[in-house]
Amino acid sequence: EAGVAQSPRYKIIEKRQSVAFWCNPISGHATLYWYQQILGQGPKLLIQFQNNGVVDDSQLPKDRFSAERLKGVDSTLKIQPAKLEDSAVYLCASSFGRAQETQYFGPGTRLLVL
Amino acid sequence: DQQVKQNSPSLSVQEGRISILNCDYTNSMFDYFLWYKKYPAEGPTFLISISSIKDKNEDGRFTVFLNKSAKHLSLHIVPSQPGDSAVYFCAATYGQNFVFGPGTRLSVLP
Repeated sequence: EAGVAQSPRYKIIEKRQSVAFWCNPISGHATLYWYQQILGQGPKLLIQFQNNGVVDDSQLPKDRFSAERLKGVDSTLKIQPAKLEDSAVYLCASSFGRAQETQYFGPGTRLLVL
Repeated sequence: DQQVKQNSPSLSVQEGRISILNCDYTNSMFDYFLWYKKYPAEGPTFLISISSIKDKNEDGRFTVFLNKSAKHLSLHIVPSQPGDSAVYFCAATYGQNFVFGPGTRLSVLP
C-alpha cells in the first residue's frame, strides 16, 4: 500500500513570495489533514477535509493561507504572501474516517522563508 | 494555551531498561489519546492509542496508561532498544479536534 505522498520535500523562498505544497493521501482515505510543525513544537492542525469538504479550518491563517481538496483526493496548501514565521515543516496526513482513527503522515515539506 | 503538555523535552535510557514518557492534558473533553513516534526527516507514525474508558492498553513492548482524574497519561517501553530512539508525540482528540504535544526526544543508549 502506497503511503501519503508530499511534494516538494524542501522549499526555500523569500518573504512575500508565494508557495504551494501538494499532498496525495492513501487511496480510499476520506479525511485529509494539513499540519504545521515549527521547530521544537508538536504539529499544529491547520485544516481538515472530509472528502472535498472542510471540517475544521479554525487554526488556518486565512489572510495568507488557503487549501483545497478538489475531487476529494489530493490537496494543495498555498501560502501567499509568505512571512518569516511560516518557516516550518508542513505535514499532510490522511485517515480512513474521523479524527480518532489512525492518521498516516507523509514525510513533510520543509519550508524556509528568508 | 497548551492543551497537551510533555514537560520533558528529552530522556536518555540505557538499552534494555524501561523508558517512561509522560503527557498531561488540560481539556477534560478529550476522549481518545494516541502516541506517535517520529524519526528525523520522516512524518510521525502511529504507535499506540487508548480510549478514555480504559486505563491501560498494551501492544508488545509498548503500554499506555491513562489516569483521567489526574489528566495524565504515560507510555512505557520495555525493554528499550536503540531503534526506539526518536521523538515521541502525545496527541489527544475529541470530536474533530486533534491536538499534539510538543514531543519528547528519547535516546536509548547501547
